[in-house]
Amino acid sequence: AQSVTQLDSQVPVFEEAPVELRCNYSSSVSVYLFWYVQYPNQGLQLLLKYLSGSTLVESINGFEAEFNKSQTSFHLRKPSVHISDTAEYFCAVSGTGFQKLVFGTGTRLLVSP
Amino acid sequence: DAGITQSPRHKVTETGTPVTLRCHQTENHRYMYWYRQDPGHGLRLIHYSYGVKDTDKGEVSDGYSVSRSKTEDFLLTLESATSSQTSVYFCAISGGADQPQHFGDGTRLSIL
Repeated sequence: AQSVTQLDSQVPVFEEAPVELRCNYSSSVSVYLFWYVQYPNQGLQLLLKYLSGSTLVESINGFEAEFNKSQTSFHLRKPSVHISDTAEYFCAVSGTGFQKLVFGTGTRLLVSP
Repeated sequence: DAGITQSPRHKVTETGTPVTLRCHQTENHRYMYWYRQDPGHGLRLIHYSYGVKDTDKGEVSDGYSVSRSKTEDFLLTLESATSSQTSVYFCAISGGADQPQHFGDGTRLSIL
């Protein structure tokens, strides 16, 4: 069975600093990978996805993630964070067949001035 | 935003009572899902549907049942609610295996 590990439950960072949120998955088959963001009292919003092709994927608000098959990782990065990036971030994986997503336990990003 | 509406948004009820949560979509997507979100567990799949009247169990299905009599509605029922089912419940929809899931705003359910 697939599993996702987000080792950091909380990441505090100052505004305009870079950040990396780590995600590792366990799977021996081809996978789809996703990052979702959840703002307080809201549902999850898709941030970015890897389905195939280029291993580096980007979102419209400056986040990027790189699929590393050898390390089974899909870390999320942003070179300069804003206060508005404060939220919880979830990594998720599914097989390339029917899409049953498996989520990590989430990483709370806390951006302070 | 994907056209997903969850109702009710908040509910408080007592142990042993039946509870039904509704997910309504306007996207005509084939796949629908119910998750629960709990601190330290992320989101866990309860049940999912891959078409009208086609449903299957997820990771934490005990104590829950679902029904899908038409494409747009997916109902989650707690036959006899227990305090361990206090959680935030999310519905999600997807157009296909290579399409990402889109989530509703959630239902906060408290069972006293």
